[in-house]
Amino acid sequence: DVKVTQSSRYLVKRTGEKVFLECVQDMDHENMFWYRQDPGLGLRLIYFSYDVKMKEKGDIPEGYSVSREKKERFSLILESASTNQTSMYLCASSLGGHGQGSPYEQYFGPGTRLTVT
Amino acid sequence: AQTVTQSQPEMSVQEAETVTLSCTYDTSENNYYLFWYKQPPSRQMILVIRQEAYKQQNATENRFSVNFQKAAKSFSLKISDSQLGDTAMYFCAFLHNNAGNMLTFGGGTRLMVKP
Repeated sequence: DVKVTQSSRYLVKRTGEKVFLECVQDMDHENMFWYRQDPGLGLRLIYFSYDVKMKEKGDIPEGYSVSREKKERFSLILESASTNQTSMYLCASSLGGHGQGSPYEQYFGPGTRLTVT
Repeated sequence: AQTVTQSQPEMSVQEAETVTLSCTYDTSENNYYLFWYKQPPSRQMILVIRQEAYKQQNATENRFSVNFQKAAKSFSLKISDSQLGDTAMYFCAFLHNNAGNMLTFGGGTRLMVKP
């Protein structure tokens, strides 16, 4: 079974802190994704990566950055956390490379509930 | 831009009965894929069912089936013989076939199965 793990289930940070959310997948997937989930808004894509050191902005990249130094690991960085970044963050991975158009299923991690005070 | 709309924020159904969750989407693409994902209270999102737009036959997975109406851009999920374990958030999602496998999600429907 594909396993996607996230470093923390719950995280509380102060405004202005730098926050790292880590995601690791164990199935050699090319694609990795970061979403935030808010009530009534569903999941919104922040960033995705289709290869090591490659990244693409999603729908809501402002205030976030990402890093993918190794294929299995995709990190989401909040350079200076703000209260409006309080949310559930979900990581996902899938097979297929950029532009292939392959309809591969996305496998999700358990999520990190981040609270910024 | 593609949009996905789930018009029912919350629904409930009695155990063993059938329930249908609605989803509509907007796209100019002709070849694409649609998904229903389930997120139980434990929060791990899992795939329920997938539909390829070029296939006319509706997808089925055990008690789960879809009614895919391409012209109407509608993709509803039917759950038959509802079980308590079906209680979850359900998300409809559209896959951008030519954009790095990006998914656009609807706002979700919270389904409660009552004993």
